[in-house]
Amino acid sequence: GNSVTQMEGPVTLSEEAFLTINCTYTATGYPSLFWYVQYPGEGLQLLLKATKADDKGSNKGFEATYRKETTSFHLEKGSVQVSDSAVYFCALSDGNYGQNFVFGPGTRLSVLP
Amino acid sequence: NAGVTQTPKFRVLKTGQSMTLLCAQDMNHEYMYWYRQDPGMGLRLIHYSVGEGTTAKGEVPDGYNVSRLKKQNFLLGLESAAPSQTSVYFCASSYGRGSTDTQYFGPGTRLTVL
Repeated sequence: GNSVTQMEGPVTLSEEAFLTINCTYTATGYPSLFWYVQYPGEGLQLLLKATKADDKGSNKGFEATYRKETTSFHLEKGSVQVSDSAVYFCALSDGNYGQNFVFGPGTRLSVLP
Repeated sequence: NAGVTQTPKFRVLKTGQSMTLLCAQDMNHEYMYWYRQDPGMGLRLIHYSVGEGTTAKGEVPDGYNVSRLKKQNFLLGLESAAPSQTSVYFCASSYGRGSTDTQYFGPGTRLTVL
């Protein structure tokens, strides 16, 4: 079946540091890929998505590129802020199974001033 | 436009008690979902609905029932709560069934079963 693997956290960075959170997936067909963010005490919010190979999703300074050859969708940001502290979830959706969303376990990011 | 709302935000139950969680969305979405979130396990799909009057099982449906009597509401019921159902429950909705459709999430319900 489909699955998503994320790097284990927690990740602790200083403000203005470079961020990478690795995400790899296993899927049949051609899934869409998503990054969701969960701030403390809140539900998940869509951060960015990519729907086909080589697409780059971007939002709020975050970027991720859909790499079919390496089955990866790594999240990056050039300069993190304290307000980026949250849990980040990588997910995929395979339309062949209806709305079959599969989420990774999440990576907790803490950014220190 | 409130998006997706959930009621209640917190609840404590004793083993064997029953309760219903309510999810409401005002975006006219066809698809609605219930997930549970447990530490280190991401989100797991409990049940979902592809339209008013329909429901289907997800990955972890045992011990839960759902109903979608109105398009905007999706109810999750626990008939006889167990400690293993202690979790944070999230409702979500989406417009369509395509793989590109974004899911919109509610703020969550934290349930503790003693």
